[in-house]
Amino acid sequence: DTAVSQTPKYLVTQMGNDKSIKCEQNLGHDTMYWYKQDSKKFLKIMFSYNNKELIINETVPNRFSPKSPDKAHLNLHINSLELGDSAVYFCASSQGGLGENIQYFGAGTRLSVL
Amino acid sequence: DAKTTQPNSMESNEEEPVHLPCNHSTISGTDYIHWYRQLPSQGPEYVIHGLTSNVNNRMASLAIAEDRKSSTLILHRATLRDAAVYYCTHAGGTSYGKLTFGQGTILTVHP
Repeated sequence: DTAVSQTPKYLVTQMGNDKSIKCEQNLGHDTMYWYKQDSKKFLKIMFSYNNKELIINETVPNRFSPKSPDKAHLNLHINSLELGDSAVYFCASSQGGLGENIQYFGAGTRLSVL
Repeated sequence: DAKTTQPNSMESNEEEPVHLPCNHSTISGTDYIHWYRQLPSQGPEYVIHGLTSNVNNRMASLAIAEDRKSSTLILHRATLRDAAVYYCTHAGGTSYGKLTFGQGTILTVHP
């Protein structure tokens, strides 16, 4: 079983569309994250949730809305997609949000906005 | 945000040791130093972390400077499967696990 799984793996869509990426972890962790990796390979945190509560929101446009229905899931909904949203999005989880906690990453969702 | 400085790239031969340096001069006293790596077309993968003392695990060793402003990831015998981008970062108790990744070091391993 994959520890952190994301769907879909690839997403190709037109500008202006709305799309969602799903993330599930089976590690029993209580903290989940979304990261964005742009074309220059910089990996930047977007959101962090702890026990379904938003903890970190890193100056992300309002078009991005995370939703955590339970501790094991953190979905990312994106409205009105723009060309600049093209990137690879990674979900991650950890047990707690302390500095010593290890984060486990999913395989990524490659989003291409045309 | 954590700020780290790493060489853009390094090269090694298979079965030789590799020392990957990182400067993290803005680290606070309670921050843990973390190393992750990213293989091509995969998500980042945890390698090792530590606070003050040197650390060893099955993947690597972490040597932390006495002032904690720098660290070195040591791969004792590089294999072709170790070719990846290696990121060092640091995170503290008040950052809710927020990891800030720099550009990382691209490690090339030659057969």
